Amino acid sequence: GAVVSQHPSWVICKSGTSVKIECRSLDFQATTMFWYRQFPKQSLMLMATSNEGSKATYEQGVEKDKFLINHASLTLSTLTVTSAHPEDSSFYICSAPLRKTGTNEQFFGPGTRLTVL
Amino acid sequence: TQLLEQSPQFLSIQEGENLTVYCNSSSVFSSLQWYRQEPGEGPVLLVTVVTGGEVKKLKRLTFQFGDARKDSSLHITAAQPGDTGLYLCAGVRGSTLGRLYFGRGTQLTVWP
Repeated sequence: GAVVSQHPSWVICKSGTSVKIECRSLDFQATTMFWYRQFPKQSLMLMATSNEGSKATYEQGVEKDKFLINHASLTLSTLTVTSAHPEDSSFYICSAPLRKTGTNEQFFGPGTRLTVL
Repeated sequence: TQLLEQSPQFLSIQEGENLTVYCNSSSVFSSLQWYRQEPGEGPVLLVTVVTGGEVKKLKRLTFQFGDARKDSSLHITAAQPGDTGLYLCAGVRGSTLGRLYFGRGTQLTVWP
């Protein structure tokens, strides 16, 4: 399968600071990537769709000014949590679809654990 | 409302037992995927089913896609402690590069 990496794997920051999370497709190109948030023992919640060369599409209820997404190249998308607060603490995961005929297989990064103090 | 209803949400069984996880919807999906996730890691793709009525086997795991492509099931035979994890079903509607619609997940614990 295809490989998607995330960096950092975990981060602890003070309230009010900004945190950048990177998502890379290592062995394939991805014009689209997806960002999710996950709470313990729950399913993934889609936050936004990252599009290379254009603006991200945010899900209802997700503040685009707080969660800045930049799809800088065909292999890199970044999520910046601006002015982070304790309620932003969560597990953030990205995914990228691998273009295959007739299917939509998506491969997930290992996730980033964000803790805001 | 959840587009994909996944059940049960929690499952705690003894080693050697069989189990089935269901994902149901009133919507048609072009494909459906099953993932397994362990704590602190991203989901790992187990299988993709595309054709209505399709059955796929992965060792002790059997996946089925409903004839109408609205539902799917995952059956595990003789569960082992190593099967413990969060199982997620996710469907795609339309575009082959479209978003995934996830079920709520099934947290499976298999006791030795």
